[in-house]
Amino acid sequence: EAGVAQSPRYKIIEKRQSVAFWCNPISGHATLYWYQQILGQGPKLLIQFQNNGVVDDSQLPKDRFSAERLKGVDSTLKIQPAKLEDSAVYLCASSLGLAYQETQYFGPGTRLLVL
Amino acid sequence: RKEVEQDPGPFNVPEGATVAFNCTYSNSASQSFFWYRQDCRKEPNLLMSVYTSGNEDGRFTAQLNRASQYISLLIRDSKLSDSATYLCVVNGGRASGGSYIPTFGRGTSLIVHP
Repeated sequence: EAGVAQSPRYKIIEKRQSVAFWCNPISGHATLYWYQQILGQGPKLLIQFQNNGVVDDSQLPKDRFSAERLKGVDSTLKIQPAKLEDSAVYLCASSLGLAYQETQYFGPGTRLLVL
Repeated sequence: RKEVEQDPGPFNVPEGATVAFNCTYSNSASQSFFWYRQDCRKEPNLLMSVYTSGNEDGRFTAQLNRASQYISLLIRDSKLSDSATYLCVVNGGRASGGSYIPTFGRGTSLIVHP
């Protein structure tokens, strides 16, 4: 079974530029999560989708971050404009459903460096 | 108080030692708990789920104490390959639609040396 795919794996941009990340979850997984992991910290949930609907985006900085999952499968996360503090690993995860005991499966992440 | 708190360590132990980590959570309504393992520059992977009172898998034992609002992870007979960061995850907060929101701790670093 193919795992969660993410691209690009690495990205270096200058502050105020825009960047987009892509995620393709495990086939059949209805729930998709985007996390931001800053060095030395645990992953912080940015947004959670159930199919193509947003379940929670309370921690997404909506003035600069946006995400969509239009067809309920793959998803994109965009930062516009980027700030120095956005340097982090952006992890995508998926799970079969929304039940509280669901296991999350993570992709390899995209490492973003903002200069 | 943070929602999920972990001692970042590092815990530096010799091979064969027994080591235990704790994770405290603030939301008493939290329903499910997990331990994930994250190797350096890799993604987190599920180590164990903790649904009721606890769970055991080989050398690993996870316990839940609802009264004191913490979960623990015990590793017996530590191996060099156990060196990693151990992340605690709590499904506690509820989104507007009623689903649970997962919250990660910052992780505890374990270094097992020869």
